[in-house]
Amino acid sequence: EDQVTQSPEALRLQEGESSSLNCSYTVSGLRGLFWYRQDPGKGPEFLFTLYSAGEEKEKERLKATLTKKESFLHITAPKPEDSATYLCAVQVRASKIIFGSGTRLSIRP
Amino acid sequence: DTGVSQDPRHKITKRGQNVTFRCDPISEHNRLYWYRQTLGQGPEFLTYFQNEAQLEKSRLLSDRFSAERPKGSFSTLEIQRTEQGDSAMYLCASSLGEVSTDTQYFGPGTRLTVL
Repeated sequence: EDQVTQSPEALRLQEGESSSLNCSYTVSGLRGLFWYRQDPGKGPEFLFTLYSAGEEKEKERLKATLTKKESFLHITAPKPEDSATYLCAVQVRASKIIFGSGTRLSIRP
Repeated sequence: DTGVSQDPRHKITKRGQNVTFRCDPISEHNRLYWYRQTLGQGPEFLTYFQNEAQLEKSRLLSDRFSAERPKGSFSTLEIQRTEQGDSAMYLCASSLGEVSTDTQYFGPGTRLTVL
């Protein structure tokens, strides 16, 4: 069965303390892996699409990487405004993506 | 704003009532998706449209749920005889419909509370 697992469930960091979020997946055929950011009470905001193992993408303090079994979202020197839930999703066929449960990230000033 | 829009943003209803939500996708996108999200979970797929055709429905979509996308533009999701278990955030997303990897863009969601 196709599955996406994110860890940790929650992460509290001090401002400026870098860390990584993990997304591991078991799917029959990977068409793409997505990272979204979701603020409380709002819809997910698209961050990155990764297509193949070895690929990396960056945006401001965020960097996403992909291997054959997992993806990491690295956060460098985070700020309080980076606090949000980060969702990982995997596209398994043209019409369908499966989401993980997310990592709730909290950055203390 | 040229993003995905949803209306209403919040809906409070009593058990047994019918509710209808609307989604307006990004104008050039031909695929439209509906998801449900409960607290602490990621979005769960409900159904999707390619233009006006509803091509897939999740087993989560009971016979009390119906979705339409007339003329391939906006879409509506109706829940009949609402139950307390229907309380959730209902999210709409749209995409270009590319054959390989197809990035979905989400709207702000409609928060449903069934009393």
